[in-house]
Amino acid sequence: DAGVTQSPTHLIKTRGQQVTLRCSPKSGHDTVSWYQQALGQGPQFIFQYYEEEERQRGNFPDRFSGHQFPNYSSELNVNALLLGDSALYLCASSYMTANTGELFFGEGSRLTVL
Amino acid sequence: AQSVTQLGSHVSVSEGALVLLRCNYSSSVPPYLFWYVQYPNQGLQLLLKYTSAATLVKGINGFEAEFKKSETSFHLTKPSAHMSDAAEYFCAVINSNSGYALNFGKGTSLLVTP
Repeated sequence: DAGVTQSPTHLIKTRGQQVTLRCSPKSGHDTVSWYQQALGQGPQFIFQYYEEEERQRGNFPDRFSGHQFPNYSSELNVNALLLGDSALYLCASSYMTANTGELFFGEGSRLTVL
Repeated sequence: AQSVTQLGSHVSVSEGALVLLRCNYSSSVPPYLFWYVQYPNQGLQLLLKYTSAATLVKGINGFEAEFKKSETSFHLTKPSAHMSDAAEYFCAVINSNSGYALNFGKGTSLLVTP
């Protein structure tokens, strides 16, 4: 049973560029959430996708956008990259109707912005 | 919104000693609380969760946590530390303002010495 998979694992971008990160949820899960984890900090909630729609959003600017596909996989897009966007981006999946808050995390995509 | 505070960003214990990682929560409603562990260069893994059932919750790898409403605490303990327990530990609470998104603490880094 494959867990949550994310790609790429590492990437380097320069300020002003755009980046797309990808996530495949755990088998059977229909909800994908994205978190940003800055160095030495806890993960911060970016947004959650369910039924191909953004359902919840944290305190992140519109430069952060996402998408969910019919197969439940998801993308996170960040435009006009800033140095402060350097972080580990974590994807987490869950089953919406379970409503327990239990999340299954991928290993993350580490973004470095130069 | 609900939040958690982890006391002590770094904790060092000897192998075989008691592990105690502290977490206090702030919530106006009965909280759902979680402990996650993050090993180096990996995603987060659920250790245990409290969902208003038993106040003493047992998790994986010998960890347990006790929900104390009077102290608004949810401390994580393990009777005897192993070298393999060295990792970053995060306490989290469901944010009811963001569906079932999690609000994480800043984390506690556990060091286990021989």
